[in-house]
Amino acid sequence: KAGVTQTPRYLIKTRGQQVTLSCSPISGHRSVSWYQQTPGQGLQFLFEYFSETQRNKGNFPGRFSGRQFSNSRSEMNVSTLELGDSALYLCASSPRGPSSGNTIYFGEGSWLTVV
Amino acid sequence: SQKIEQNSEALNIQEGKTATLTCNYTNYSPAYLQWYRQDPGRGPVFLLLIRENEKEKRKERLKVTFDTTLKQSLFHITASQPADSATYLCALSSGNTPLVFGKGTRLSVIA
Repeated sequence: KAGVTQTPRYLIKTRGQQVTLSCSPISGHRSVSWYQQTPGQGLQFLFEYFSETQRNKGNFPGRFSGRQFSNSRSEMNVSTLELGDSALYLCASSPRGPSSGNTIYFGEGSWLTVV
Repeated sequence: SQKIEQNSEALNIQEGKTATLTCNYTNYSPAYLQWYRQDPGRGPVFLLLIRENEKEKRKERLKVTFDTTLKQSLFHITASQPADSATYLCALSSGNTPLVFGKGTRLSVIA
């Protein structure tokens, strides 16, 4: 079974631009979660989608948004990029979601650098 | 506010010894506690899950304990090896909430 796939792996953007990151979950998994990881803050929860509906949302500004498609693939978007958005963005999938006691399986992440 | 603390940012131990990592939480009633391993530049990898009604879980050289009275989990790696060097993350979930992670402990096993 293929693991969680995230694209792109690395990207550099300029302040003020917007970025879209993509995540393909493990086949059969309907829950996709997104996390931001920085050295200072660790792993911070962004949002979770289940069957195309946002089920939970973290404490991030409205510039961070996401969606999930009918095939469970997910995208997250960050608009008006700031230097502080530089981070590793991790996507994780699970059959029904972590609130059901499921393990979540992470992708390798997308490294975003904002200059 | 809810808080998850992992005892130290970094831990160095000698090969062959038992590594013990601590995860404490406050203002939280987790139904599940999980431990993950993360290598540099990679996504975290699941190791063990323990439920609130379980005291202890084992998997090969790994052991996790969960004390809901002390609000603490201990993660042990016995007979540690240099290949065990990584950052270890604890994570909690309760009811309908997302998985919340601690900042991790960076373990270095010295040969």
